[in-house]
Amino acid sequence: GEDVEQSLFLSVREGDSSVINCTYTDSSSTYLYWYKQEPGAGLQLLTYIFSNMDMKQDQRLTVLLNKKDKHLSLRIADTQTGDSAIYFCAVSAGNKLTFGGGTRVLVKP
Amino acid sequence: DTAVSQTPKYLVTQMGNDKSIKCEQNLGHDTMYWYKQDSKKFLKIMFSYNNKELIINETVPNRFSPKSPDKAHLNLHINSLELGDSAVYFCASSPGTGELFFGEGSRLTVL
Repeated sequence: GEDVEQSLFLSVREGDSSVINCTYTDSSSTYLYWYKQEPGAGLQLLTYIFSNMDMKQDQRLTVLLNKKDKHLSLRIADTQTGDSAIYFCAVSAGNKLTFGGGTRVLVKP
Repeated sequence: DTAVSQTPKYLVTQMGNDKSIKCEQNLGHDTMYWYKQDSKKFLKIMFSYNNKELIINETVPNRFSPKSPDKAHLNLHINSLELGDSAVYFCASSPGTGELFFGEGSRLTVL
C-alpha cells in the first residue's frame, strides 16, 4: 500500500519561512494534500495540488511537487505563532486518503 | 452550524465495556470515514462508507463495528474495550474529491 513519510519536528523563528517535506511511494496518486491540526481539534485542509502540477501558491503557502522524486513540500512564508500546529501531508489513491505521520511545527517568538 | 459533529468529545471507561461514538454531517456528502489517531499523532483509516455502503474496511478488530443508518450518520460501536483502544477517533466526510472534512475528535481513554 501507499507509504507517506514526514519528518517529525520543525522549529522556526517568527517571521522566517518554514518548509515541511513529505515523500510518498504511489506514483498513481492524483491529488496531494496538506492538512493542519491545532491542539484539541480535528484536521483542516490547508491546500492541495493536482498531480499534473509542479507548484501551487495560495497567499503565504507554496506547495511544490516533484513527481520524479515523489516529494511534496509546503512552504509557509512569514511564519506566525498561530502557525504552530501539526501538519499532515496526505496522498489520494482511489477512495482512500493515506496520511503521513505529521510534522509538529513550533514557532518561536 | 458544525459541519461534522461527533459525540461524545471525551469518553473514559473501564476495560471490557462496550461504548459507541456518534457522528453526523450536514454537508450533504455521500462518503464518511472513521480514523484513529494514536498518542504519536499517527492517523490511520478504519472504515469508509459511501451512501450507507461499506467501501473501506481496514484491518480492524471485529470488536469495532460501524453503522450507517443514513448517509448523514456514521456511528462506531466498540465491544469489549481494551487498553490499546485508547486514542482519539475522528469522523470525517467527503464530497468525493479526496478533501476530508473532519469532526473535532472523540478522545477515548480505557482504564
